[in-house]
Amino acid sequence: DVVMTQSPLSLPVTLGQPASISCRSSQSLVSSDGNTYLNWFQQRPGQSPRRLIYKVSNRDSGVPDRFSGSGSGTDFTLKISRVEAEDVGVYYCMQGTHWPLTFGGGTKVEI
Amino acid sequence: EVRLVESGGGLVQPGGSLRLSCAASGFTFSTYVMGWVRQAPGKGLEWLSTISSSGGSTFYADSVKGRFTISRDNSKSTLYLQMNSLRADDTAVYFCAGNPGYTNYESFEIWGQGTMVTVSS
Repeated sequence: DVVMTQSPLSLPVTLGQPASISCRSSQSLVSSDGNTYLNWFQQRPGQSPRRLIYKVSNRDSGVPDRFSGSGSGTDFTLKISRVEAEDVGVYYCMQGTHWPLTFGGGTKVEI
Repeated sequence: EVRLVESGGGLVQPGGSLRLSCAASGFTFSTYVMGWVRQAPGKGLEWLSTISSSGGSTFYADSVKGRFTISRDNSKSTLYLQMNSLRADDTAVYFCAGNPGYTNYESFEIWGQGTMVTVSS
């Protein structure tokens, strides 16, 4: 199985400041079709997960442009350009290239 | 409005069975890949199973293979998860999730609110 390793586990942030979360996979996420299926999800306290980013860098509809995804191969990053209070929660990366689908362990973002 | 509403969770004894349902509305269910993801108390997300839009292809995590069965009824816009031989470590919130596309298995764009399953004697 592809192991997804996120860091840090916990990320204290300051409102208005940038934040960055790393996600590394144990093998390349480049699919045979040429796409890289790396997703980012946000889970606010008491809520369901919400997809923010798909295929490394594509923002979902309604996701603020302060969120951005980047990376390639086995190394990926989610960046928040200026943290807002509503960004508090746990962030998960998930790979969709290989079966079984696997999630990272999560990064807790707290003010 | 796009909605996924899970139901069927509850308290069950070890070794027992439960069937979860996920009612979809606000989109063309038959064109979406659907799946189940769970979250044990205080833990992260774990993918369990995915089914193609037609229901012809299914995929399972090793942790539930042979015990859980995913299915769908496109005429009722409903996804199911039949869970047998339940164990204490199956205790979790179970989320239904979906992704547009007939075989777009690689992600989940929409999520339900989850239903809690507790396995305990």
